[in-house]
Amino acid sequence: LAKTTQPISMDSYEGQEVNITCSHNNIATNDYITWYQQFPSQGPRFIIQGYKTKVTNEVASLFIPADRKSSTLSLPRVSLSDTAVYYCLVVNQAGTALIFGKGTTLSVSS
Amino acid sequence: DVKVTQSSRYLVKRTGEKVFLECVQDMDHENMFWYRQDPGLGLRLIYFSYDVKMKEKGDIPEGYSVSREKKERFSLILESASTNQTSMYLCASSTWTGAKNIQYFGAGTRLSVL
Repeated sequence: LAKTTQPISMDSYEGQEVNITCSHNNIATNDYITWYQQFPSQGPRFIIQGYKTKVTNEVASLFIPADRKSSTLSLPRVSLSDTAVYYCLVVNQAGTALIFGKGTTLSVSS
Repeated sequence: DVKVTQSSRYLVKRTGEKVFLECVQDMDHENMFWYRQDPGLGLRLIYFSYDVKMKEKGDIPEGYSVSREKKERFSLILESASTNQTSMYLCASSTWTGAKNIQYFGAGTRLSVL
């Protein structure tokens, strides 16, 4: 199973773009990369998922290089409400092999 | 909206007690999961189930068992609770939606074992 490594914490200011990188060196051919967001006293919530190149939705972008050994979650113009823990996760095709990393605590200040 | 409901938000038990944590999902998802979350360790998978009566061990199954008699319900059992099982427990269910596999989490049960 692919283990993931991500920074423990990051700090930012409102209005800045934040990029969080995750390393997953042992990712298998059919695995997907997924990111979740977690606020205190809540369960994690799905943000974005991708297989290769770039994926964008209304809240974030996900960049995956050709070798797929890392990925970068990009949050455009963060606000105070984006302060949370962000988890990178590698999911197999069956959706049953799931290794969460330790998460990156993002702190956004005004 | 998908709803994953955990039976208790907070639970206090004594060492040696048998503890049941219940989880129910309302979206007919095939896969269900139990995690524990501890400070500095992130989420660690205890068990998962991909079908009724089916179960697979995750990373840290020792001291736990699970039961899935119905598709919507997945129970985590601590046969003899110990203080090192004090933790936040999170249940999730998942399915493929289009081309995405999305897990939906409950709000969590904070278990204290005294």
